[in-house]
Amino acid sequence: GENVEQHPSTLSVQEGDSAVIKCTYSDSASNYFPWYKQELGKRPQLIIDIRSNVGEKKDQRIAVTLNKTAKHFSLHITETQPEDSAVYFCAASIDRGSTLTFGKGTMLLVSP
Amino acid sequence: GAVVSQHPSRVICKSGTSVKIECRSLDFQATTMFWYRQFPKKSLMLMATSNEGSKATYEQGVEKDKFLINHASLTLSTLTVTSAHPEDSSFYICSASPLAPSGTSTYNEQFFGPGTRLTVL
Repeated sequence: GENVEQHPSTLSVQEGDSAVIKCTYSDSASNYFPWYKQELGKRPQLIIDIRSNVGEKKDQRIAVTLNKTAKHFSLHITETQPEDSAVYFCAASIDRGSTLTFGKGTMLLVSP
Repeated sequence: GAVVSQHPSRVICKSGTSVKIECRSLDFQATTMFWYRQFPKKSLMLMATSNEGSKATYEQGVEKDKFLINHASLTLSTLTVTSAHPEDSSFYICSASPLAPSGTSTYNEQFFGPGTRLTVL
């Protein structure tokens, strides 16, 4: 089955800096890669996703890049703000089924 | 749109009792719903995939007789933790994928419920 590795497990940055979280996956059939943000005690919220026919996608301060050959994808947050502090999960799935395999999460802490 | 609710949000029970958690998609239909378990500061662990009108598919290591799943309609799935013990204490989260207009689920997006905090004394 699919295995998703996520790094780093924790990331501390100063407000205004950029943050990058990286994930690798094992199943070359995976073609959907969402990123979720989870604040303490709350539900995961989809913040951005990318499909395998696209190499990069951007939404304001958030961008995701995908390298299918290397089987890795990354989340980039620019101009970080304290409210970006949360746990971020990457995930991967195969189009035919909807089962998502999650990475272990990255706790992002943005200091003012 | 795409709102998923869970009830209850928090439950405390005695060891040996059973607890039912409901997951509802409020504004869309979902052929498939998913149940996850999350320990503090850990990732989401898929427990089972709930299919409307059929038996749930459980992940390896998850006891199907312990965690009973029923998916009675396209908007409701329930998880019953039977004979709960303190080690079952956890955060349980469901998710659902919208049913595509063609009648088959071609979307991968999952929308999560707010979670249920279960504490077994």
